[in-house]
Amino acid sequence: QVQMQESGPGLVKPSQTLSLTCTVSGDSINSGGYYWSWIRQHPGKGLEWIGYIHYSGSTDYNPSLKSRVTISVDTSNNHFSLKLTSVTAADTAVYYCARDLRDDYYDSSGHRKDYGMDVWGQGTTVTVSS
Amino acid sequence: DTQLTQSPSSLSASEGDRVTITCRASQGISSFLAWYQQKPGKAPKLLIYAASTLQSGVPSRFSGSGSGTDFTLTISSLQPEDFATYYCQYLNTFGQGTKLEI
Repeated sequence: QVQMQESGPGLVKPSQTLSLTCTVSGDSINSGGYYWSWIRQHPGKGLEWIGYIHYSGSTDYNPSLKSRVTISVDTSNNHFSLKLTSVTAADTAVYYCARDLRDDYYDSSGHRKDYGMDVWGQGTTVTVSS
Repeated sequence: DTQLTQSPSSLSASEGDRVTITCRASQGISSFLAWYQQKPGKAPKLLIYAASTLQSGVPSRFSGSGSGTDFTLTISSLQPEDFATYYCQYLNTFGQGTKLEI
């Protein structure tokens, strides 16, 4: 059974870099061709996709965060990481990692195939404050 | 990116009720819509993918339907543990959520 666990500092100072790691257990991160996503949730709000990485190293990011986000993968240690630079109080949120079942292929109507995010970490709260 | 709009934003219901939540996409997405349940302090849980396929272990009182731009999540007979917030999702976009309350 695949499990995922986020780790990293719970408190980050404004203007600094938020760094989180998601460790995957129960399966190899580079098996199955999965995508691995980061999602966050501001207090009392909905879910916001931050970005993904494929085991091959390809990435995609939310345009609203793209200038500040880097997601990387370490297949030897079976984890992937999130870095968010120049944080402000607006980055205070619960951060989740998830296994993302989007496909590389499109259907006959030109829509990318997507089967949801089936495994999630428990989430880690990050507060940005001095 | 496709925008997803859920309705209603909140819903009051009672145990045993049948409830339906709607998700409308700003453009057609075939049947590639997922539904999640989130309880306070917990991570979202995948309920349904590909619009109508029940994720393993999810009770059969949950069902999904739709294709193109209009989708629904139905809970046939509400149980106490179903009171939660529900989200739809396609690729990089989540709906704004529907809070199901007693």
